[in-house]
Amino acid sequence: QVQLVESGGGAVQPGTSLRLSCASSGFIFENYGMHWVRQAPGKGLEWVALIYFDGSETYYADSVKGRFTISRDNSRDTLYLQMNSLRADDTAVYFCARVSAALRSTRPPDHWGQGSLVTVSS
Amino acid sequence: QSVVTQPPSASGTPGQRVTISCSGSSSNIGSNRVYWYQQFPGTAPRLLIHWTDQRASGVPARFSGSKSGTSASLAISELRSEDEADYYCAVWDDTLSGVVFGGGTKVTVL
Repeated sequence: QVQLVESGGGAVQPGTSLRLSCASSGFIFENYGMHWVRQAPGKGLEWVALIYFDGSETYYADSVKGRFTISRDNSRDTLYLQMNSLRADDTAVYFCARVSAALRSTRPPDHWGQGSLVTVSS
Repeated sequence: QSVVTQPPSASGTPGQRVTISCSGSSSNIGSNRVYWYQQFPGTAPRLLIHWTDQRASGVPARFSGSKSGTSASLAISELRSEDEADYYCAVWDDTLSGVVFGGGTKVTVL
């Protein structure tokens, strides 16, 4: 079955950086685009970024554009989110999630990881 | 303010039918397929409906999705206590070039 496991979250100070990872299994990772979605405490879901199956295209929410970078290593079946210049309003649980169709698709997710908490506070 | 809007809450008694709306525009719901998710506190979202009206694997037939113009709906028939959760719609927005989520609807079973 599809499994997505995030790691790398933690507590950091404003202005610093953090990299999240998402290890995948149970499907052919290199055939699927991937999303990052976050959820601030007590709030709704917010889409963060999308990367195509082959890494050829990336898309970002305006709230993170220029600060966050989504990338992937298909040889390791792993997705990444590099987060720079972190702010207090980036505090959230970050979910990695698989695009719901193979190859060149921008569809919303089907399978989700359990999430990784990032807390930005001084 | 989300690009697609949902009512913050909905409720019903066991056995009733509850409908949740998701209102958007021509750049999102009007031109793309809508997805619906169920989320319990402290857990990851679970896909309920994809491609606007197709139930995901293992989802009971009590859940159904539909769309008309720039609005979509999720209906839960024969409401059960275990349906008490948050529900989100999601859709790709061609103008924003990103996925947009509704603000979420908390369903309460009275």
